[in-house]
This record gives sequence, structure tokens and C-alpha cells, in this order.
Amino acid sequence: AQKVTQTQTSISVMEKTTVTMDCVYETQDSSYFLFWYKQTASGEIVFLIRQDSYKKENATVGHYSLNFQKPKSSIGLIITATQIEDSAVYFCAMREGNTGANTGKLTFGHGTILRVHP
Amino acid sequence: GPKVLQIPSHQIIDMGQMVTLNCDPVSNHLYFYWYKQILGQQMEFLVNFYNGKVMEKSKLFKDQFSVERPDGSYFTLKIQPTALEDSAVYFCASSLRDWGGDYAEQFFGPGTRLTVL
Repeated sequence: AQKVTQTQTSISVMEKTTVTMDCVYETQDSSYFLFWYKQTASGEIVFLIRQDSYKKENATVGHYSLNFQKPKSSIGLIITATQIEDSAVYFCAMREGNTGANTGKLTFGHGTILRVHP
Repeated sequence: GPKVLQIPSHQIIDMGQMVTLNCDPVSNHLYFYWYKQILGQQMEFLVNFYNGKVMEKSKLFKDQFSVERPDGSYFTLKIQPTALEDSAVYFCASSLRDWGGDYAEQFFGPGTRLTVL
């Protein structure tokens, strides 16, 4: 069974700094996909970035990047030059690979609250 | 980005009543999902749906739950009868399938907050 663990309950940083949020996962599949979403104060859930397990290069989108350490089953999210509006709850999620038994469902971690202060 | 709409945003009902939550997925998406989020906790998968059929459901998807998408209109989650423990925010999501046959990222609606009294 899949499991996603985010050990950091909350993080506070100053604006314009870099923050890293941790996530470790468990899966029996050799192929899987990892995602980060953020949930804003209004409840909106926004897709941020994705890492496919077979790709060695860390994904980067805008000021989001990933630190994918496959041997450690770890997928950290790095946000550079943080802004006040980055304050949100960040969820790590995993989906198992593209075999017949897998249906695309996501397994989420408990989330990390990020507070960015001026 | 692509938008998923959900109606209503908030529903308050008495225990035992029926409720239908509506989702308007992204227009060209083919895979549809419902997730449940209890306040302060992570989202948990309920069910997914493709080509008129349930593909997979979790243990949270009780017998009182059903989903359908009649004639390509709203993707609905019906709960009949409702119970107190059904109070939560229900998120709908939709996705495509990549050219390589993989499931693309899911896009989420804003959620429906269901309160069962």
C-alpha cells in the first residue's frame, strides 16, 4: 500500500528566503509519480509541480523545484525567493505507475503549513 | 490553469437526508475523482470514474455513496442517507491521460463543504 509522510507540521520563514519542505513516500511499484499541491486560505487546491520516478533530473517550475532522492524515497519541495502569497498548506502526493491495476488515484500526505512573514 | 467547478460551495442538511454534490470537470478531461477532506486533515481518495464506470473506490466510499455522470453533464456524488461522519469538504478532480498512456496531473475544484446536522 502507498503511504506519504510529511513530518513538518508548519514552517515559518521570512519573505525572499528559500524554504524546503520534506516528504517521504512508500510504494511497492517500480514506477510512480510524485506531486506537490498547495491549498490556499480559501481552500483552493493548486497543482504546483510533478516528478516522474524514472526521471533522474529534478523538476523545476518557476520558483518551485524538487529534490528527488530516490534511494531515500524522498521528494522535497524547494521554494526560492518566497513571497507572502506563498503562505498556504502544501501537500505532497503520490500516484502509482501505469499498470492495469492502477487507476490514477492520489495518496496525500498530511500537509505542511507554510507561513511567509514580511 | 484549467478550472473544475463545484456546486454548491456549501450544503447543510439533516442526518438521514439525501445530498447530491455536483462537479463540472475540465471540458476535455476523461477521468474523474472525488476526495474527502475532514477539517485539518489530508485529502483522502473516495472514488474514480471513467467511461461511465467506477474504476476504483476506497473503504471510505460507503454503500450509501454513488457516482454518475449522465450524458456527459455534471459528475455527481450522491449520499443517501447521510450520516454525521459525512461532514467534510468534498473535492472533485479531473484529469487527462498522457500520450504515453499515463495519467496526467489532476486539477481540483474548490470543494463543497458538507455539514450534516
